[in-house]
Parts: sequence; structure tokens; C-alpha cells
Amino acid sequence: TQLLEQSPQFLSIQEGENLTVYCNSSSVFSSLQWYRQEPGEGPVLLVTVVTGGEVKKLKRLTFQFGDARKDSSLHITAAQPGDTGLYLCAGPMDTGRRALTFGSGTRLQVQP
Amino acid sequence: DADVTQTPRNRITKTGKRIMLECSQTKGHDRMYWYRQDPGLGLQLIYYSFDVKDINKGEISDGYSVSRQAQAKFSLSLESAIPNQTALYFCATSAGGVAGTGTNQPQHFGDGTRLSIL
Repeated sequence: TQLLEQSPQFLSIQEGENLTVYCNSSSVFSSLQWYRQEPGEGPVLLVTVVTGGEVKKLKRLTFQFGDARKDSSLHITAAQPGDTGLYLCAGPMDTGRRALTFGSGTRLQVQP
Repeated sequence: DADVTQTPRNRITKTGKRIMLECSQTKGHDRMYWYRQDPGLGLQLIYYSFDVKDINKGEISDGYSVSRQAQAKFSLSLESAIPNQTALYFCATSAGGVAGTGTNQPQHFGDGTRLSIL
């Protein structure tokens, strides 16, 4: 079974600080996705990474896929209260399932 | 209007009752999914369907059943609800993509159904 472990589970920071959250596995993934979920809403896709070593930027968010495609990180520069939410990584399940498995998430709180 | 609509948004019921959660979508996607979310456990896949005749069990299908009534509608049933099925339930859709890229497609989620079983 492919598992995605996310760390830290919780993170509370002040506005303007930088932070990095991680998504790790012992298995190789063909791709990984990052979602953000705000209270009372469903998750929304932020990015998909498909190539080992790939770096993608979305404004103040930088996503990296590990060279071995077993891990990914999300770095936020100068965090803002609007970044508050649950960050989930997801990747394809074992062959045959044709669906995604999700990590347990990192809950981020950015204090003004 | 929302692209993925879940009804009801909230439901409180008693142990042993049969419950149906409904999901409809206007995105024209073939693929639909049901997930369960518990605090600290992320999203767990219950069932998924790639078309009306293609329904598959997910990670935690025991105690649940589904029906794909049409391309746009996918319902989840709890035949005899039990308290540990209390959770937030999400429906999602995705496009198929070209061969081999289906799991790279973004999933589009509804706003969830909060289900409490007493």
C-alpha cells in the first residue's frame, strides 16, 4: 500500500514568515498533486508535479518534486492570513486502482 | 451555481437508519468519487466510478454502497448507519485525460456533507 506522510501536522505562524511543509513516501509516485482546503469547503487543486526534480511556482508558493519522485515539498514565502487552510498532497494509488491516495494533511494557521 | 453539488449539506440521524447522500455535477466529467474525511486522517476513498457501468471499491467501502444513475449523478448510501460513520463526506469529479494520465487530472470537489450518526 502506498502511503503519503505529511509533516508537520499543524503549523501556526505569524504573517510574513516563511514556511515549508513536506509530503513523503517510501514508494515512487508517477506524479503528485497539492490541494488546499478551507473550512466548510472541498479541497481545491493548487498544482500537479510529474517530473523528478521539477519545481513549480504559484505566486508565493513553490512546489518541488523530489528527484526520486518519493517526496514533495511546498514552500510559502511571506505567508498571509489568506494562506490559512489544510494542505493535502495526493498521488496515484497502486497499479490497478486508477485513483488517488491522499496524505493526512498539514493544517496551517497564519496569524495577522 | 456550483459545478459539483452535494445534498444534503448537513444530516443528523440515528443508528440503524438508511441514508443516501447525493452528488450531481455539471462539469461533464466521466469520473466521480466519494471520499470520507475524519480529523487527522485526510481523505479516504470509499468508491469511484469511471462511467455508468464502471464502479470500483476504494480503500474503505465496507458499510457503504453507491449508484451511478447517470453520467452527472453519483449517490452514496449507508444501508444501516453506525456512529463511527460520523464524518465529512465529499464527492469529486475529474476528466479522464489521455491514456495513462487520468490520475494527473485535477479533482473537483463539492462542499461536502457533514453527517452525524447518534
